[in-house]
Amino acid sequence: DIQMTQSPSSLSASVGDRVTITCRASQSISNYLNWYQQKPGKAPKLLIYAASSLQSGVPSRFSGSGSGTDFILTISSLQPEDFATYYCQQSYTISITFGQGTRLEIK
Amino acid sequence: QVQLVQSGAEVKKPGASVKVSCKTSGYTFTAYYMHWVRQAPGQGLECMGWINPNSGGTNYAQKFQGRVTMTRDTSISTAYMELSRLTSDDTAVYYCARDPNDYGDYFDFWGQGTLVTVSS
Repeated sequence: DIQMTQSPSSLSASVGDRVTITCRASQSISNYLNWYQQKPGKAPKLLIYAASSLQSGVPSRFSGSGSGTDFILTISSLQPEDFATYYCQQSYTISITFGQGTRLEIK
Repeated sequence: QVQLVQSGAEVKKPGASVKVSCKTSGYTFTAYYMHWVRQAPGQGLECMGWINPNSGGTNYAQKFQGRVTMTRDTSISTAYMELSRLTSDDTAVYYCARDPNDYGDYFDFWGQGTLVTVSS
């Protein structure tokens, strides 16, 4: 299976900050990379698909970039509702795998 | 609006089986693959496999092969996931998730989750 490694595992930031989360694949996955946000007790929510396509209804402060093995999720200006856990997910192979998650906390 | 509504929480004994349902509405059930994803307490997300509601074809993650069965009833737009020979390691929230299947596999709508607790 392709291993997905996110960094950092946790992050403290303030409202208004620009934040980046990195996801690295153990082999090239082209741009078959998606990002989700999960809040406690809730199902994950799709933010970005195909590495850089913004899901309908998701605020434009979220953006994604990258291809091959290295990907970035950027939140341009943190809002209070953005404090959550973020996961990347690859679908290059039939064995879909997620990163371990990045917990974004309020500083 | 698209909705995926799952069955309620379950408590099972080790060795038993559990069957979770995912009733859909607001879209053409047979047009989108359905995946099942689980999350153990305090842990990350793990894909279990998918079903093609149109054909009934399935693909299961190797870890669950032989223990998981995914089925569907197109007459009521509902998908099912049954997991057998439960152990405490299967205690988790189980989600169904719709896959638009237009660029790889990603999940645009999710059920609310079903907590399965395995305890003697």
